[in-house]
Amino acid sequence: TQLLEQSPQFLSIQEGENLTVYCNSSSVFSSLQWYRQEPGEGPVLLVTVVTGGEVKKLKRLTFQFGDARKDSSLHITAAQPGDTGLYLCAGALQISGSRLTFGEGTQLTVNP
Amino acid sequence: DAMVIQNPRYQVTQFGKPVTLSCSQTLNHNVMYWYQQKSSQAPKLLFHYYDKDFNNEADTPDNFQSRRPNTSFCFLDIRSPGLGDAAMYLCATSRGGFGYTFGSGTRLTVV
Repeated sequence: TQLLEQSPQFLSIQEGENLTVYCNSSSVFSSLQWYRQEPGEGPVLLVTVVTGGEVKKLKRLTFQFGDARKDSSLHITAAQPGDTGLYLCAGALQISGSRLTFGEGTQLTVNP
Repeated sequence: DAMVIQNPRYQVTQFGKPVTLSCSQTLNHNVMYWYQQKSSQAPKLLFHYYDKDFNNEADTPDNFQSRRPNTSFCFLDIRSPGLGDAAMYLCATSRGGFGYTFGSGTRLTVV
């Protein structure tokens, strides 16, 4: 059983479209992070959310942490080809200390 | 710039021949992690050091070992690599679970 369910697994859209990626769990997380990973590279941290209901914006990216701290979403406005990559959510459980649990990832392709 | 550096970026090893991957950090983070990532999959935690305390994941094979001689360095030893161990190995650091930073990874090929 996957602790963090991420959807969709694959997403192919045209430049300029909007999209949302979801990360869901039945567990409560003390914090949740979103990463972007390009082929052959390590994940790069985009944002960390720690407060239930928190919304953070990073240019065209909007991240939301659910009120109950069990889920999160990433919304991209007017996607560009440079947004192409693997998006990973990762959560830290309160009982697991510093360990991160990753979702399966969303492979996003933005076509020109 | 403070960072996490993994060497080498690409490693080819023979089936059954011991191999060591290295990770160094200039962030002075107290926690260091090793993840295994196979193609199109999420990173899977193998083990981590919280300061000097070693924490092994329950499903990490005995074939994988780790050493952390000091705060800055951490090594992943694969005693007898099998074809199934071919993967990207990612090192990461954090300060008590915050400020996660990943290295660029080492792509291991087993021939």
